[in-house]
Amino acid sequence: DTGVSQNPRHKITKRGQNVTFRCDPISEHNRLYWYRQTLGQGPEFLTYFQNEAQLEKSRLLSDRFSAERPKGSFSTLEIQRTEQGDSAMYLCASSFRDRGREQFFGPGTRLTVL
Amino acid sequence: AQSVSQHNHHVILSEAASLELGCNYSYGGTVNLFWYVQYPGQHLQLLLKYFSGDPLVKGIKGFEAEFIKSKFSFNLRKPSVQWSDTAEYFCAVKALRDTDKLIFGTGTRLQVFP
Repeated sequence: DTGVSQNPRHKITKRGQNVTFRCDPISEHNRLYWYRQTLGQGPEFLTYFQNEAQLEKSRLLSDRFSAERPKGSFSTLEIQRTEQGDSAMYLCASSFRDRGREQFFGPGTRLTVL
Repeated sequence: AQSVSQHNHHVILSEAASLELGCNYSYGGTVNLFWYVQYPGQHLQLLLKYFSGDPLVKGIKGFEAEFIKSKFSFNLRKPSVQWSDTAEYFCAVKALRDTDKLIFGTGTRLQVFP
């Protein structure tokens, strides 16, 4: 499978714990995006990278959230001190080279905060 | 702020009926437009896209969409739906000058009955 992969697929945690998700983009894609989707809503943009540079962060991304893409390949999204409102599907997408290209989405990581 | 509106939240059709899902966006500049589909239990997949040129765009599985710039619309159509089209459909916009992020509508859930 050469698509975008995400791990874990499901994560259940207690409020206050830290969690980290991983995304592996399609290999030749240099842009990587994180979105969050809650029930009944479309995906909402969180942040994106071009290679290892984080180019944009949404105001939705509080200081408890941090994303990295250290070598310009896979990315991690960490949520510190999780809250129940963080429960959502976290989606990763990647795209190739130029701006304006379509984004290919992974299966997502479903986070449940108890 | 840029936004995307999908007017139909839930559509129920019989097989062979025609489909049109509305999508309107608010942004005055150049845009790329997308329709994504999410089949039950699967991840988001690109159905079709508009970058430039012919405003009538054909996608996979017999879907098409028409970009009407004056109406800021990008409605999705299919002349004859099948049971396998049961899914959630998301319209998305990328405002090229400002960002590389996608802005999604809230989605339309389509149920097709045999």
